[in-house]
Amino acid sequence: DTGVSQDPRHKITKRGQNVTFRCDPISEHNRLYWYRQTLGQGPEFLTYFQNEAQLEKSRLLSDRFSAERPKGSFSTLEIQRTEQGDSAMYLCASSPEWEVEQYFGPGTRLTVT
Amino acid sequence: AQSVTQLDSQVPVFEEAPVELRCNYSSSVSVYLFWYVQYPNQGLQLLLKYLSGSTLVESINGFEAEFNKSQTSFHLRKPSVHISDTAEYFCAYYNTDKLIFGTGTRLQVFP
Repeated sequence: DTGVSQDPRHKITKRGQNVTFRCDPISEHNRLYWYRQTLGQGPEFLTYFQNEAQLEKSRLLSDRFSAERPKGSFSTLEIQRTEQGDSAMYLCASSPEWEVEQYFGPGTRLTVT
Repeated sequence: AQSVTQLDSQVPVFEEAPVELRCNYSSSVSVYLFWYVQYPNQGLQLLLKYLSGSTLVESINGFEAEFNKSQTSFHLRKPSVHISDTAEYFCAYYNTDKLIFGTGTRLQVFP
């Protein structure tokens, strides 16, 4: 068990470009979560999946954001037409559905210039 | 709205001194509480958790937290800190399949 992995670890992009992040959860975990952490703040929930179904989306997840988990394994988070306000650390976590504890990956730090 | 409040944004302390990081929550339902630690440029690591049972929970590296229902608190303590404890600490509680985090407390340990 290698833990939750995220790719890339760092991404610098220009305003208006699209970016996509990937998260690979712990293999036996069927729940996968995305959080966003801005500077000086705690992580904020964005969305989560149980298997391939997206069960909840936060109001923070604007129309420019889309998340998928097509086969119930890895997930992608895409941001279209990035804005400077999207600069943040994007954290992925996973868990079995019967556990309340969530296991976090190292995060992807996005900088929009 | 349900929330978590970490009253101190920064806590400076000298090595080997005791420390307390404060956390208060607002919830009217059953509570599952967590402390996570985040080292620079890394993700979150679970430090300890309260799910049920004994109100005093401990971590393997000397931290402890006590669930106090009447004061709606879950303060984190360590009797003697090390330089390596320097990090950001987040209190969180579990609410309908997601974690609600506080804004974090930066613990800075000085030699």
